[in-house]
Amino acid sequence: SAVISQKPSRDICQRGTSLTIQCQVDSQVTMMFWYRQQPGQSLTLIATANQGSEATYESGFVIDKFPISRPNLTFSTLTVSNMSPEDSSIYLCSVSGDSQETQYFGPGTRLLVL
Amino acid sequence: SQQGEEDPQALSIQEGENATMNCSYKTSINNLQWYRQNSGRGLVHLILIRSNEREKHSGRLRVTLDTSKKSSSLLITASRAADTASYFCATDGGRKIIFGKGTRLHILP
Repeated sequence: SAVISQKPSRDICQRGTSLTIQCQVDSQVTMMFWYRQQPGQSLTLIATANQGSEATYESGFVIDKFPISRPNLTFSTLTVSNMSPEDSSIYLCSVSGDSQETQYFGPGTRLLVL
Repeated sequence: SQQGEEDPQALSIQEGENATMNCSYKTSINNLQWYRQNSGRGLVHLILIRSNEREKHSGRLRVTLDTSKKSSSLLITASRAADTASYFCATDGGRKIIFGKGTRLHILP
């Protein structure tokens, strides 16, 4: 299984600012994903981070709001832009295991927007 | 949508008792998975059951899958305080994994 770290673990931000979340994996992986989990809710897939090309966004999420970088096979960033209180959530990155069926998750970044 | 829906939303049981959680979904799947999340942290994969399997065991976990009813159950036997967490089912229909809303399990001492 992969070991995944995220930075920051939590942050409190002001409305209108942006925050970049980093995700680091201890091994090379093909598929990396970014999820949002709003308070008391399930996980919603934001996008799949593709190495060497643009991320693939899910319905309801756009690149201008959630730009993603994937410079190599072990690292990705998600930026939450022009934040509003509705962006207060836990943001999780995950990677696919060898079988591409299961996912391994980072510890999450807890974001509060005031 | 193929989103899984867990039932009950919340469950409190005494330590040592068995806990059963159910998941229903709407469309065909390749497999169904169960994950655990402690206190808003990252999810931990527990078990995967394929569409051609009916039952699977892993330690104190037992998962069943009924594709005709589009439902699955997760049984945790001899519960412990450390089992207190949220449990999510996730369905894989081929393109992506979709998570249900989760069951919050609380083990009482």
